[in-house]
Amino acid sequence: DSGVTQTPKHLITATGQRVTLRCSPRSGDLSVYWYQQSLDQGLQFLIQYYNGEERAKGNILERFSAQQFPDLHSELNLSSLELGDSALYFCASSPSGVSYEQYFGPGTRLTVT
Amino acid sequence: DQQVKQNSPSLSVQEGRISILNCDYTNSMFDYFLWYKKYPAEGPTFLISISSIKDKNEDGRFTVFLNKSAKHLSLHIVPSQPGDSAVYFCAASALGAGGTSYGKLTFGQGTILTVHP
Repeated sequence: DSGVTQTPKHLITATGQRVTLRCSPRSGDLSVYWYQQSLDQGLQFLIQYYNGEERAKGNILERFSAQQFPDLHSELNLSSLELGDSALYFCASSPSGVSYEQYFGPGTRLTVT
Repeated sequence: DQQVKQNSPSLSVQEGRISILNCDYTNSMFDYFLWYKKYPAEGPTFLISISSIKDKNEDGRFTVFLNKSAKHLSLHIVPSQPGDSAVYFCAASALGAGGTSYGKLTFGQGTILTVHP
């Protein structure tokens, strides 16, 4: 158990819908990272937040957004969902703003039908 | 543009023997490398890392070797155990680049390791 929690575990929704994935980092960790793992791709970095501020950005679609709240939990919002958005979404955390050893949650499996 | 590549999708070894997992990278800005292990239905778990100023890092049964000139790293597991059966991901970071690279890990596609009893 990494100490990172993600909810929900599974999510099934229709195209065009909007969903919110939630992540609680390990106690004391200030950074939260979001990754997407599609069937035919490895883990793709989406975005990093550090102590409430956006720190780094990857190939995150404009339909996707994230934020980190004062209690350090983070939410990833996915809107206008397409079939291709079906994937595993992982959240990770680390104590500081650097990415030496990130600790991953169990992931949320999103299925868009 | 795949900057981190694990060319072997799978590897099968006998218990007690050595497992060698390989990873190649193309971005010369990468200065920190990590290996993660992933079991089904779980998130990746950090295993071992190495800074670009070193060429070897050892932790128990796990050793990571870095060859900067060849842009190649490998993970050695000795001796291999059935519990090591998992997907292994190589990842790289360009911390020194700062800016929008800061905090980003670039992952390879993963290698499925199966250790037979």
